[in-house]
Amino acid sequence: DVQLTQSPSFLSASVGDRVTITCRASQGISTNLAWYQQKPGKGPKLLICAASTLQSGVPSRFSGSGSGTEFTLTISSLQPDDFASYYCQQLDSYPLAFGGGTKVEIK
Amino acid sequence: QITLKESGPTLVKPTQPLTLTCTFSGFSLTTTGVGVGWIRQPPGKALEWLALIYWNDDKRYRSSLKSRLTITKDTSKNQVVLTMTNMDPVDTATYYCVHPKWLLGQQRVGGFDYWGQGTLVTVSS
Repeated sequence: DVQLTQSPSFLSASVGDRVTITCRASQGISTNLAWYQQKPGKGPKLLICAASTLQSGVPSRFSGSGSGTEFTLTISSLQPDDFASYYCQQLDSYPLAFGGGTKVEIK
Repeated sequence: QITLKESGPTLVKPTQPLTLTCTFSGFSLTTTGVGVGWIRQPPGKALEWLALIYWNDDKRYRSSLKSRLTITKDTSKNQVVLTMTNMDPVDTATYYCVHPKWLLGQQRVGGFDYWGQGTLVTVSS
């Protein structure tokens, strides 16, 4: 089974900061990776699929990159609405798996 | 407009089975590429993918729970049912019904683009 390791698990940042979250897969998964945002008490929201394709309506300050075993989610300029938890998910093979999550908090 | 809604018990006793129903609208489970899945999240913890059923009745399960999970569909009712046997307090979680985004060009799931509101299931005697 493919395992995903996200880092960091927690980060403290300020509005306007550039933020990068990393997701590493235990084996190559091509670009079969998605990123989600989850706010407290809410279900996750799909931000990016196929490693770098932004979902409709997602602000352009979000971007994804990577292939194989290493992937990144970047927020170019952190906004107040972005303080949330973020998860990666591999969709290359079953069973599908999520990373452990990254909580982004206000510094 | 795609919507999904979970229904089922909020409290289950240990060793008892859990049956959750997902009632959806805005798509048909008879259409090629369409599926419905389940994902759960224990309180304060990460997301866990559980199961997925496709339009062609292909079914996929989380490895560690495969012996306890069953997913079925009723296309006439627009419903998907997840059954989990032998519930334990560690299975306490919010359970989400989800719609997979089908990537046409790649003929594969690209993520889960619609989520139900989630239902908190507590396992306790």
